[in-house]
Amino acid sequence: KNQVEQSPQSLIILEGKNCTLQCNYTVSPFSNLRWYKQDTGRGPVSLTIMTFSENTKSNGRYTATLDADTKQSSLHITASQLSDSASYICVVSAGYGGATNKLIFGTGTLLAVQP
Amino acid sequence: KAGVTQTPRYLIKTRGQQVTLSCSPISGHRSVSWYQQTPGQGLQFLFEYFSETQRNKGNFPGRFSGRQFSNSRSEMNVSTLELGDSALYLCASSPSEKTEAFFGQGTRLTVV
Repeated sequence: KNQVEQSPQSLIILEGKNCTLQCNYTVSPFSNLRWYKQDTGRGPVSLTIMTFSENTKSNGRYTATLDADTKQSSLHITASQLSDSASYICVVSAGYGGATNKLIFGTGTLLAVQP
Repeated sequence: KAGVTQTPRYLIKTRGQQVTLSCSPISGHRSVSWYQQTPGQGLQFLFEYFSETQRNKGNFPGRFSGRQFSNSRSEMNVSTLELGDSALYLCASSPSEKTEAFFGQGTRLTVV
């Protein structure tokens, strides 16, 4: 069964600190992995998208890593800001890149950055 | 460039009624997908349309249906509403099935 699991479920950190969110997946066939940031009451916004051959990808203070062998990904946030408070969702695309690809969503990690 | 636009933003309906939600994709995007998001279940895939054809469908009852028009705009319809249908309904568009999806702000549906 295709599944995406994220940990921790929630996290509280102080402003300026770093944090790492985890994503484990059992999805086959793997096409790509995406991290989204979703502010409360708004639609998700894409942070990174990685294919099988990519190990790391950065977007400003966000750095995602992918280990296709262990089927794990992480999202590292550097020097956190209050505006980083949001839900972070890991999404894996299953398929061969064609019309039958399906997105498998994790349940998200709720991050709260406190001053 | 305008983003994905969903209307209405908020909606309150009573049980048994039906509702139609609208999604206007980013200009040039031909793929539109719909998702339901609830606090307990997270994001769940409803269906995806590409060039007016439904390409994928999630595990939702037949009360949930959709369509896509020739200008790529899409509508989602839910008939015989139930309390459990209360959720944030998100629409995402992408140039094709293989590329990154951009989400709209969602429609918050409350069924009373």
